[in-house]
Amino acid sequence: EVQLLESGGGLVQPGGSLRLSCAASGFTFSNYAMSWVRQAPGKGLEWVSLISGSGGSTYYADSVRGRFTISRDSSKNTLYLQMNSLRAEDTAVYYCAKDPGQYCSDGGCYPTYFQHWGQGTLVTVSS
Amino acid sequence: DIQMTQSPSSLSASVGDRVTITCQASQDISNYLNWYQQKPGKPPKLLIYDASNLGAGVPSRFSGSGSGTDFTFTISSLQPEDIATYYCHQGGTFGPGTKVEIK
Repeated sequence: EVQLLESGGGLVQPGGSLRLSCAASGFTFSNYAMSWVRQAPGKGLEWVSLISGSGGSTYYADSVRGRFTISRDSSKNTLYLQMNSLRAEDTAVYYCAKDPGQYCSDGGCYPTYFQHWGQGTLVTVSS
Repeated sequence: DIQMTQSPSSLSASVGDRVTITCQASQDISNYLNWYQQKPGKPPKLLIYDASNLGAGVPSRFSGSGSGTDFTFTISSLQPEDIATYYCHQGGTFGPGTKVEIK
């Protein structure tokens, strides 16, 4: 059974940093691309970032590019999201999601679809 | 960037009704369109991928169709457990969601 378990959320001041983790099990981690998707309170879903199965390729939404860094450690079956220079508008539940692959178009690469999701971890950016 | 529009934003229907939600892309996306169901306080669940393929374990009353820019998601017979918000998705973009309620 595929399981994804996020951790690392919490309250952080504007301009601060936070690192999220997503522990994966039940599948061969290195065979799948992984994404972070977030959802602000009462709002819709927003794709944040994608990393290839090998970890060699990473992609970001414009709203977080240059501030967030996605990475993965296949020896630990864990996905990470390092979030720096946090803003109030980054307040959201952050989900990690398993993706069978990626596709590239118009100079960017994007997730295909999200087969499995974690339960999410809440990040609140506030003073 | 591709924009996704969804309609309606909300709907109310009776148990057993046929429910249809539409999603329109701002440019041709072939069949790369997915549908998710999200219940309050829960993560989204994949229902339909690549426009018309049913996700694992998803009941057959859910279906999807379309290609190019216009897509349709259908619940053939609405059940009480289908109360949720439904999102279309393509690549880095989600639609704004459709909230489905029981009349």
